[in-house]
Amino acid sequence: EAGVAQSPRYKIIEKRQSVAFWCNPISGHATLYWYQQILGQGPKLLIQFQNNGVVDDSQLPKDRFSAERLKGVDSTLKIQPAKLEDSAVYLCASTWGGMQTQYFGPGTRLLVL
Amino acid sequence: AQSVSQHNHHVILSEAASLELGCNYSYGGTVNLFWYVQYPGQHLQLLLKYFSGDPLVKGIKGFEAEFIKSKFSFNLRKPSVQWSDTAEYFCAVNAPRGSARQLTFGSGTQLTVLP
Repeated sequence: EAGVAQSPRYKIIEKRQSVAFWCNPISGHATLYWYQQILGQGPKLLIQFQNNGVVDDSQLPKDRFSAERLKGVDSTLKIQPAKLEDSAVYLCASTWGGMQTQYFGPGTRLLVL
Repeated sequence: AQSVSQHNHHVILSEAASLELGCNYSYGGTVNLFWYVQYPGQHLQLLLKYFSGDPLVKGIKGFEAEFIKSKFSFNLRKPSVQWSDTAEYFCAVNAPRGSARQLTFGSGTQLTVLP
């Protein structure tokens, strides 16, 4: 079974630039999550999708972050404009439903200079 | 909002030593509990989980954890660690947040096993 795919694996940008990350969940997984993991901390949930609808985006900084899952399968997370404090690993995870085990992708490591 | 505390940020052990990593959470209702592991250069993967039933759960690679509801704890144990157990370990709690259930992670414990 293929795992959660993410791209790119690494990205370096300057502050105020924009960046986008892509995630393809495990086939059949209805629920998709984006997490931000800052160095030395555990992952923090940014947004949760159920199919193509948003379930929870209360911790997403909506002035600069946006995410979509238009067809209920893959998803993109965008930051515009980026700030230095956005440097982190962005993780995508998927699961059958909200209470089940989440499966994580390899993450995208973002460095904002 | 729920929170998860991992008491040790970095643990250094010699091979064959016993391991116990502490995890406490703050939510008082029904929770699902997880330990995830991240080996160097790899992605987060599930080590073990507790949903209900026997509070002593066994996971992969000889790890186990005990859910003690009265103490809001879910400590991870292994009787004899190996060099290959060197990794970062995250405790996580799945609990309600608004209309959804959300996974909240602790800050992680870096385990270094010396050969």
